[in-house]
Amino acid sequence: DAMVIQNPRYQVTQFGKPVTLSCSQTLNHNVMYWYQQKSSQAPKLLFHYYDKDFNNEADTPDNFQSRRPNTSFCFLDIRSPGLGDAAMYLCATSRRSGGEQFFGPGTRLTVL
Amino acid sequence: DQQVKQNSPSLSVQEGRISILNCDYTNSMFDYFLWYKKYPAEGPTFLISISSIKDKNEDGRFTVFLNKSAKHLSLHIVPSQPGDSAVYFCAASVNRDDKIIFGKGTRLHILP
Repeated sequence: DAMVIQNPRYQVTQFGKPVTLSCSQTLNHNVMYWYQQKSSQAPKLLFHYYDKDFNNEADTPDNFQSRRPNTSFCFLDIRSPGLGDAAMYLCATSRRSGGEQFFGPGTRLTVL
Repeated sequence: DQQVKQNSPSLSVQEGRISILNCDYTNSMFDYFLWYKKYPAEGPTFLISISSIKDKNEDGRFTVFLNKSAKHLSLHIVPSQPGDSAVYFCAASVNRDDKIIFGKGTRLHILP
């Protein structure tokens, strides 16, 4: 089945220790998104790629970076995680910008 | 400031009855609206959408109503089934090619 896969599902890191979350897709979609969702909050878009074009949201902290080495994979790098970065991180894909988005199961990040 | 508001964090409905989930928005430029459904430990999945040129869209047991003058939309589920128990996110975009803004979600419990 075509799908969006996120690894790991649970990630624990220490304050200030860099961490990388990964997302892969078998849908061959052009657009990949990263969202941050804190408890009882709305998913918040961090950035997205349209093919190789990177689009950063204005309020996404510099601490968050992303890489998309090919169509199938996209990575979220948190350079120096703070306690406030503990959240669920959702990856999504769509065929075109603004189209229906397909989400992965998310990675829950804990910062100790 | 939240542009998409779901003011009811949770809702309980008897099986077989109608579930009505509400959503308000503040940005009058929004012209495309979506509902996503999320089960625990899974990512959100697309449920139904509506363009601002319509005031109703129906798909099986799910109907979305849009009242542009009131900046309000609602999702009706008839009849409600146990499998409908989930978190429902309302989302909106300025046009179908733009990013979508999510609400905080409403947790729906279908009671036996």
